[in-house]
Amino acid sequence: AQSVAQPEDQVNVAEGNPLTVKCTYSVSGNPYLFWYVQYPNRGLQFLLKYITGDNLVKGSYGFEAEFNKSQTSFHLKKPSALVSDSALYFCAVRDQAGGGNKLTFGTGTQLKVEL
Amino acid sequence: GAVVSQHPSWVICKSGTSVKIECRSLDFQATTMFWYRQFPKKSLMLMATSNEGSKATYEQGVEKDKFLINHASLTLSTLTVTSAHPEDSSFYICSAPRGAGNYNEQFFGPGTRLTVL
Repeated sequence: AQSVAQPEDQVNVAEGNPLTVKCTYSVSGNPYLFWYVQYPNRGLQFLLKYITGDNLVKGSYGFEAEFNKSQTSFHLKKPSALVSDSALYFCAVRDQAGGGNKLTFGTGTQLKVEL
Repeated sequence: GAVVSQHPSWVICKSGTSVKIECRSLDFQATTMFWYRQFPKKSLMLMATSNEGSKATYEQGVEKDKFLINHASLTLSTLTVTSAHPEDSSFYICSAPRGAGNYNEQFFGPGTRLTVL
């Protein structure tokens, strides 16, 4: 079975500094990876996905993620953090065994951007 | 982007009663919808896959008789928590992928906060 791990419960960063939210994955075949963001009392919003192609994926709101097959990682990054980026971030992998769009989520990382 | 709504956004009920939560795709059709439960420590747990015109597929450990799912149309799926108990209190979120492909992004509803007294 596939899984994703987000090793950090919380990441704190100063506004204007680069941020990284870590994600590692475990799948038996080709990984299909996603990042979502959740603001308080809201549903999840799609940020970006990796299916195939370039290892650096660009997404919404200036976020990007780097797929690294050898390290089985898909870390989320942003060159310059904003206070408004403070939210809960989820990494997810598509279920390959069942087909379709079923996702397995990581436990989430709370990002806090401070002035 | 696509919009998925949920109703109600929050509900408080007495133990033993049933609660229905609706999930609607407002500007696209969804033959499949997913129901998640989000625990206080943040993780999302997939409960079931709702299939239009057929029975829902439940994840291991999820009681199908307790969490009834009905995918009545291409834009509506409902989750009914039957005989709710305090341990069912949680944040329930639905999602729907737009399009027929296997790699389409999912659009999530805003969630429903259920509190069982």
